[in-house]
Amino acid sequence: DTAVSQTPKYLVTQMGNDKSIKCEQNLGHDTMYWYKQDSKKFLKIMFSYNNKELIINETVPNRFSPKSPDKAHLNLHINSLELGDSAVYFCASSRHEGTSGSREQYFGPGTRLTVT
Amino acid sequence: GQQLNQSPQSMFIQEGEDVSMNCTSSSIFNTWLWYKQDPGEGPVLLIALYKAGELTSNGRLTAQFGITRKDSFLNISASIPSDVGIYFCAAPYSGGGADGLTFGKGTHLIIQP
Repeated sequence: DTAVSQTPKYLVTQMGNDKSIKCEQNLGHDTMYWYKQDSKKFLKIMFSYNNKELIINETVPNRFSPKSPDKAHLNLHINSLELGDSAVYFCASSRHEGTSGSREQYFGPGTRLTVT
Repeated sequence: GQQLNQSPQSMFIQEGEDVSMNCTSSSIFNTWLWYKQDPGEGPVLLIALYKAGELTSNGRLTAQFGITRKDSFLNISASIPSDVGIYFCAAPYSGGGADGLTFGKGTHLIIQP
């Protein structure tokens, strides 16, 4: 029973294409996130969604757009892909607890995106 | 945004040795988290710390929340081959919102036979 799952695991595409990565969590969490991990393994948050509201929007190009049809899903859409978008993208989820929030985030297995 | 300075960047040790790594910041945090990432996998939460001075164990792993709230430490005792991987410290991101995490750059643990 996978807690946080992502599809696809690998994604190879050409510059200029539009692609989507799907994420689902079965933990009953109400907040979901997307992180980008670069070639040096540095993890950086891109977005978070709580109750269908975007509450963090890091300096990410507007070519990236998260879409959450419900609490269990947060998909990442990327338009006009560029070479620099190549990275591993991780979805994560957590349970929001009041104003302090829940810090214990659980990650999916990642999607390795390669743009050629 | 705040920066987490994690060290060492990599460690080459022999099986059975103890391991220590740490994370420091100029910012004060209410939470410190430690994650491990295996090749081709996502980060897995090892230990969560919520109180200054707190010392928490998870099997052979022990983590401490620094008294100043600006640092945290992770120790692994009697290392075994499956301990190989990248260990990350993480703390709440302060760029906006309440739930994001900022990560250290990781400590690569390599165990020599």
